[in-house]
Amino acid sequence: EEELVESGGGLVQPGGSLRLSCAASGFAFKTYGMNWVRQAPGKGLEWVSYISSSSATKYYVDSVAGRFTVSRDNAKSSLYLQMTSLRVEDTAVYYCARDSLGFTWGQGTLVTVTS
Amino acid sequence: QSVLTQPPSASGTPGQRVTISCSGSSSNIGSNAVSWYQQLPGTAPKLLIYTNSLRPSGVPDRFSGSKSGTSASLAVSGLQSEDEADYYCAAWDDSLNGYVFGTGTKVTVL
Repeated sequence: EEELVESGGGLVQPGGSLRLSCAASGFAFKTYGMNWVRQAPGKGLEWVSYISSSSATKYYVDSVAGRFTVSRDNAKSSLYLQMTSLRVEDTAVYYCARDSLGFTWGQGTLVTVTS
Repeated sequence: QSVLTQPPSASGTPGQRVTISCSGSSSNIGSNAVSWYQQLPGTAPKLLIYTNSLRPSGVPDRFSGSKSGTSASLAVSGLQSEDEADYYCAAWDDSLNGYVFGTGTKVTVL
């Protein structure tokens, strides 16, 4: 069964850092582009970042560019999101999503940025 | 950055047909495929429609999608109580170099 499992969320102060992980199983992870999408409490979905299968191409939404870094380890079938200089407005559930004719989603991990 | 516009709400009685619109521009819907997602309360989104009108296996044929120009729509026919959820459209945006999601539509079954 295809599965994406996020981890690494938690409580962090403004200006702090956090690293999210997404473990993939049940499919050929190394052949797919991957995304991070977030959802602030009570709000809609917001795409955050994309990384191609080979890591050659990376894109970010303007609001996180320069603060967040997406990476992957195909040998470990894992996707990562390094988040620095976190802001209150980064508080959200973060989902990893496989990019293949639409998104296949993980269950999400909650990041709360608060003082 | 929601650049795809959806109505905030839609409703219908069981068995009725509900349609949700998604309005974009030439840089997103006008030049790329649209997908639709269903998000039940407290759960992760689920893919309903990809490449404008195709259904993944397991998605009932009550759900259908279409695209014309810079707009897309999702129709839910034979509305059921379990269809009560939030629905989002999405597409790649060539100008932003990223995906954009719709503002979301909450469907209520009366």
